[in-house]
Amino acid sequence: NAGVMQNPRHLVRRRGQEARLRCSPMKGHSHVYWYRQLPEEGLKFMVYLQKENIIDESGMPKERFSAEFPKEGPSILRIQQVVRGDSAAYFCASSPENYEQYFGPGTRLTVT
Amino acid sequence: DAKTTQPPSMDCAEGRAANLPCNHSTISGNEYVYWYRQIHSQGPQYIIHGLKNNETNEMASLIITEDRKSSTLILPHATLRDTAVYYCIVRLLSYSTLTFGKGTMLLVSP
Repeated sequence: NAGVMQNPRHLVRRRGQEARLRCSPMKGHSHVYWYRQLPEEGLKFMVYLQKENIIDESGMPKERFSAEFPKEGPSILRIQQVVRGDSAAYFCASSPENYEQYFGPGTRLTVT
Repeated sequence: DAKTTQPPSMDCAEGRAANLPCNHSTISGNEYVYWYRQIHSQGPQYIIHGLKNNETNEMASLIITEDRKSSTLILPHATLRDTAVYYCIVRLLSYSTLTFGKGTMLLVSP
C-alpha cells in the first residue's frame, strides 16, 4: 500500500505567481489534512477535507489560499499571488476515518 | 485540546532505551495521548496512541500514569535513525486536527 504522495516535492515560484500543491491520500483514505511548517517553526494545521467537502478550514489564511478534494483525483492546495512569507514546507496527511493521520513527504515551496 | 509539556531536548546512547516524558495535567477523560516524530525535513510519522492503558507496538511503548496527567514514550533500543523531534499530542479521538507543540529533540549518539 503506497503511502501518502505529494508533488511536486520542491516548488519555486516568483512573487505574484500561483502555487499548486497536490496530495494523493493512501488507498482507502477519504480524509485529507493540510499542515504548514514555516522555517524553524512547528507544524500548523490549515484545513481538513473529505471528498468534495471542506470540513474545517480554521487554520487557513482568509485570502489567497484555497483547498479542494474532488471526487476524482488528488487534493489540491492552491496559493494565489504568492509572497515570500509563503515559503514553507507544506505537508498533507490522510486517514481512513478521523483517527491517526499518516503524513506525506511534503512540498517545499520557495518564493523568490 | 489539552496542553502538553515536553523537555526541549534529550540525549540517548545507541542501543539504550530512550524514555521521553510528557506532561498533560489538564487532559480530559475522553482525550487520547498520541505520539508522532519528525525526522529532519521529513513528514511526521505516527508512532503510537493510547487512552489509559499502556500500549506497545513494533516501534515503541507508551506508559500512561494512572491519573493520566503524564506519559512516557519508550524506544527500547534506540538507533541513530531514531534521532528526531518527538511530539506528544492529546486530542479527542473524533477531533480532526493535530496540534503540534515544540516537541523533544532526541539525539541518539554512537
